[in-house]
Amino acid sequence: DTAVSQTPKYLVTQMGNDKSIKCEQNLGHDTMYWYKQDSKKFLKIMFSYNNKELIINETVPNRFSPKSPDKAHLNLHINSLELGDSAVYFCASSQVGVYEQYFGPGTRLTVT
Amino acid sequence: DQQVKQNSPSLSVQEGRISILNCDYTNSMFDYFLWYKKYPAEGPTFLISISSIKDKNEDGRFTVFLNKSAKHLSLHIVPSQPGDSAVYFCAASATAGGTSYGKLTFGQGTILTVHP
Repeated sequence: DTAVSQTPKYLVTQMGNDKSIKCEQNLGHDTMYWYKQDSKKFLKIMFSYNNKELIINETVPNRFSPKSPDKAHLNLHINSLELGDSAVYFCASSQVGVYEQYFGPGTRLTVT
Repeated sequence: DQQVKQNSPSLSVQEGRISILNCDYTNSMFDYFLWYKKYPAEGPTFLISISSIKDKNEDGRFTVFLNKSAKHLSLHIVPSQPGDSAVYFCAASATAGGTSYGKLTFGQGTILTVHP
């Protein structure tokens, strides 16, 4: 039974398109995150939500918009995709006040 | 501006020997450190952590050492096993006002290969 799941696992699309990545966690955690792993392999936080409320918003283009319908889900919508958006996107979750985060398997996004 | 650095892109060790992975940080506000392990096509999995009030934390074959004055931490794996072959990420967090806001800053990872 997967703790943090993401769909799709792979996403290939063309520049200018709009796409979404979905994330769900069944751990009962209150906080969820989106990270981007770029070509240099650095994992960088993009957003963090606590109980559906945005608490961390790093310097991310406005084309990226997270949406949390409930505390078990955090989706990432990307408008007008660009070549530089190609990366692996990881969703994660944690309990409030706990540092350890649990990661999903990642979504490899390729923009052509 | 990389606040967490893992200067060794890769490390190769023999099965049964010790693996030592290093991590340096620059932000003196970091007060909690974590190591994650990542297999190909999977997400990072939590391995071990240490608070800045400690200088050592041990869990089975894994020990993390923290040297605050040098802003340096290391992960020791003894004995190393082929199944330990993976990418290891160091991460750090800063607590503000007693609350962790959950922001982890990661290093770029070290590829560990353990040869049978």
